Amino acid sequence: DIQMTQSPSTLSASVGDRVTITCRTRQIISNLLAWYQQKPGEAPKVLIYRASTLQTGVPPRFSGSGSGTEFTLTISSLQPEDFATYYCQQYYSYSYTFGQGTKLEMK
Amino acid sequence: EVQLVESGGGLIQPGESLRLSCRASGFAVSSHYMSWVRQIPGKGLEWVSVFYSGGGIFYADSVKGRFTISRDTSKNTVSLQMYDLRAEDTAVYYCARPTALGHFDLWGQGTLVVVS
Repeated sequence: DIQMTQSPSTLSASVGDRVTITCRTRQIISNLLAWYQQKPGEAPKVLIYRASTLQTGVPPRFSGSGSGTEFTLTISSLQPEDFATYYCQQYYSYSYTFGQGTKLEMK
Repeated sequence: EVQLVESGGGLIQPGESLRLSCRASGFAVSSHYMSWVRQIPGKGLEWVSVFYSGGGIFYADSVKGRFTISRDTSKNTVSLQMYDLRAEDTAVYYCARPTALGHFDLWGQGTLVVVS
């Protein structure tokens, strides 16, 4: 199985900040990597898929990049509704793996 | 409206069995991949199983041999039969729709299973 290491586990930031979350794997994977946002009591919601494609309806302040073993999610200017937990997820060989999550909290 | 609605969760004792169901609306499960993902309360997400539209079925190692995923195209539902449940299976179980690009584009609201 592919191991996903997501960092940081917690991130404190303020409205208007630019933040970056990183997901690393030990082996090179395809670009079939996605990012999700989850708020308490809700199901996850996909933000980015195929490493850098913005899901329809997601604000353009969210962006994804990376390839090989390192991928990033960037929020260019934090809004109040962005404080949530974020997960990366990859697909490889009929198996899906999630990162451990990053809780984005208000500073 | 395109949506997934899970049912069947509850409190169950270790070693017992439970069946979860997921009813799809607005699309046909026969034409899509369907999956189950679980989340221990307060913890991260763990993929459980997938049923590919062509009939292929795969499981996470943690549930292989104990869980069975199935599909009923007449009822437009996907089910997860869980046997020999353990305390570590306690989680919210989400029905989710994977795409051919490997991400989950549609999720249900989840159903809580407590093994105790």
